[in-house]
Amino acid sequence: SHGLTQPPSVSVSPGQTASISCSGERLGDRYVSWYQQRPGQSPVLVIYHDSRRPPGIPDRISGSNSGNTATLTVSGTQSMDEADYYCQAWDSSTVVFGGGTKLTVL
Amino acid sequence: QLQLQESGPGLVRPSETLSVICTVSNGSISGGSDYWAWIRQPPGKGLEWIGSSYYTGSSYWNPPLKSRVIMSVDTSNNQFSMRLTSVTAADTAMYYCARVVKGVTGHFDRWGPGILVTVSS
Repeated sequence: SHGLTQPPSVSVSPGQTASISCSGERLGDRYVSWYQQRPGQSPVLVIYHDSRRPPGIPDRISGSNSGNTATLTVSGTQSMDEADYYCQAWDSSTVVFGGGTKLTVL
Repeated sequence: QLQLQESGPGLVRPSETLSVICTVSNGSISGGSDYWAWIRQPPGKGLEWIGSSYYTGSSYWNPPLKSRVIMSVDTSNNQFSMRLTSVTAADTAMYYCARVVKGVTGHFDRWGPGILVTVSS
C-alpha cells in the first residue's frame, strides 16, 4: 500500500487559518477522512468523503482532495482546535493513516 | 447514539496473547453495511490500523500484523474481539475499537475510549 505523508507540525495564531496537507500517490482518486485527537482522548471524525462534515463539526473545519494532496483547513482557529490531526484513506485492501500533524495555536 | 467500550487485561507478558473485547451498545452489530475495526496507538506515536470485520466474519487485516491477529464477531452479545499473539514490547499501545460506516472502505465514525495494554514481564 502507499503511505500518506503529513507535516509533523503546523502553527497558527488565534483567529487565523491553518492548513494541514496529506500527500499520497493519486490520493485524489480515493476518499480521504480526517480525525482530530485532543490530548488524552480518542480520535474524532471531523471530515469524511474528502469534504463532508459529520453532525456537530463546525463549518470552520473543511476539507478538499485533488491530485496527490488532500487538505484540511481550519478557519478562525481557536484554542480548542489545538490537537493532533490524522488523514486516512483506503488503499489496496488496507486502511492507511497519515503520520499525524500537531496543530499548535500560538 | 451508538457507543463502544473496550475491555481486557491491561498487562500482558512477552510471547503471550493479547486479547481485547469491544462491546457495542445503543445499536446492533449485525446487518447493514458497517464493519467493526481495531486501531492501535503506541505511546506518543500515530494511529495504526489492525483490521476490520463484518458481522458475518469477513475480515481484512493490516498485512504486517495479519499472521498474528485473530478477529471475531459475537452477534449474540453484540461484541467483537481481537487477539494478538506472540506479543513483544513493541505491541504496547492504546487499543481502540471503532465502527466503519458504509462498507469496509468507509470512515471510522464512532470510537471507543481505548484501553492501554502494556507488554512487560
